[in-house]
Amino acid sequence: KAGVTQTPRYLIKTRGQQVTLSCSPISGHRSVSWYQQTPGQGLQFLFEYFSETQRNKGNFPGRFSGRQFSNSRSEMNVSTLELGDSALYLCASSLVADRGEAFFGQGTRLTVV
Amino acid sequence: AQTVTQSQPEMSVQEAETVTLSCTYDTSESNYYLFWYKQPPSRQMILVIRQEAYKQQNATENRFSVNFQKAAKSFSLKISDSQLGDTAMYFCAGQISNFGNEKLTFGTGTRLTIIP
Repeated sequence: KAGVTQTPRYLIKTRGQQVTLSCSPISGHRSVSWYQQTPGQGLQFLFEYFSETQRNKGNFPGRFSGRQFSNSRSEMNVSTLELGDSALYLCASSLVADRGEAFFGQGTRLTVV
Repeated sequence: AQTVTQSQPEMSVQEAETVTLSCTYDTSESNYYLFWYKQPPSRQMILVIRQEAYKQQNATENRFSVNFQKAAKSFSLKISDSQLGDTAMYFCAGQISNFGNEKLTFGTGTRLTIIP
């Protein structure tokens, strides 16, 4: 079956703009989590959605938001971009009933200039 | 709260040799999962192996095995007969086993290079 698909793969934005990233989970997976990966901070949890509801949120400013649709696809949005938002954004989906295995997409590389 | 510590930023080993990556996991919770993920240059995070904290037996997946010492909070990954395709960043991660919690907490990673 198809894996986790993230689009776009690469993105360049200007400071102050906003951006939307998309994640399509594995078919049947209802949980979608987002992570930010930077050289300085490593991998940090942003938030997790299940059945269109945000269940967990990491320690990020309100400029970072997300949502999940009824087909489990998820989007994350970053408003008023800052240079420090440059990162690899990874999405992971999991079949909640089978706890303990998250499948990751290839990520979206966001560069803010 | 959880803390995942990987103290080896980089390691290298000759092809076909055995290498062990270290990780410590600290939490006040008694039920949790531990994982090793591999991130090759393609950037996709791939699950290598997982361990449930309540299980006494150490997990094994082909050439990959773990040594989980719960009291010592140690969770090391052993790669036997290393191959060039094992070159990647390796991340140790933990997840509290609460219903509705899918959050993974990652260590800082170990860059492993397999030398031909």
